[in-house]
Amino acid sequence: NAGVTQTPKFQVLKTGQSMTLQCAQDMNHEYMSWYRQDPGMGLRLIHYSVGAGITDQGEVPNGYNVSRSTTEDFPLRLLSAAPSQTSVYFCASSRDSNYGYTFGSGTRLTVV
Amino acid sequence: KNEVEQSPQNLTAQEGEFITINCSYSVGISALHWLQQHPGGGIVSLFMLSSGKKKHGRLIATINIQEKHSSLHITASHPRDSAVYICAVRSLTTGNQFYFGTGTSLTVIP
Repeated sequence: NAGVTQTPKFQVLKTGQSMTLQCAQDMNHEYMSWYRQDPGMGLRLIHYSVGAGITDQGEVPNGYNVSRSTTEDFPLRLLSAAPSQTSVYFCASSRDSNYGYTFGSGTRLTVV
Repeated sequence: KNEVEQSPQNLTAQEGEFITINCSYSVGISALHWLQQHPGGGIVSLFMLSSGKKKHGRLIATINIQEKHSSLHITASHPRDSAVYICAVRSLTTGNQFYFGTGTSLTVIP
């Protein structure tokens, strides 16, 4: 049972480049979410999904897109990277929002 | 304005000591989570609480909904407990919105 798998672990982008952070879970969890973690700040919710085909914005959605075509996958897209998006990104999943969460190992993204 | 405040920010303890980390929140919540983030960065969910108290091994979490306060206790602390402990609350009004504290960094010295 792999849990939540995030790729890549590290990425350096130039300003204006696009990329997709991948997140996959094999626990048949309905609820998936993306967070960013910045020094001195708590984790902040970017986008979340309560099931395939359903996504919604969190606290800091600007500059990010998501889709949920399958229960297993919840990719996060940066359309035009900016230095302000330098952060550590975590994906998490849960059976639903009433249960505990399983987190991925994180992606450290640097935008130069 | 932080919806979730944790104290202390940093804590150093001797092995064996009893440790308490506090979390206060300002919004109505349907659940509160305690998370542990290890030095390598991985995050593990420890507890989810909506009332009362939960215990898992040497860890105890309590919540007082009326006072909007939760505590995480570690009994007989050990160096392997060294980590950042994060409190998170799920908003009652925007059910899928979570607010996170900035974490308490715990170091347990042998």
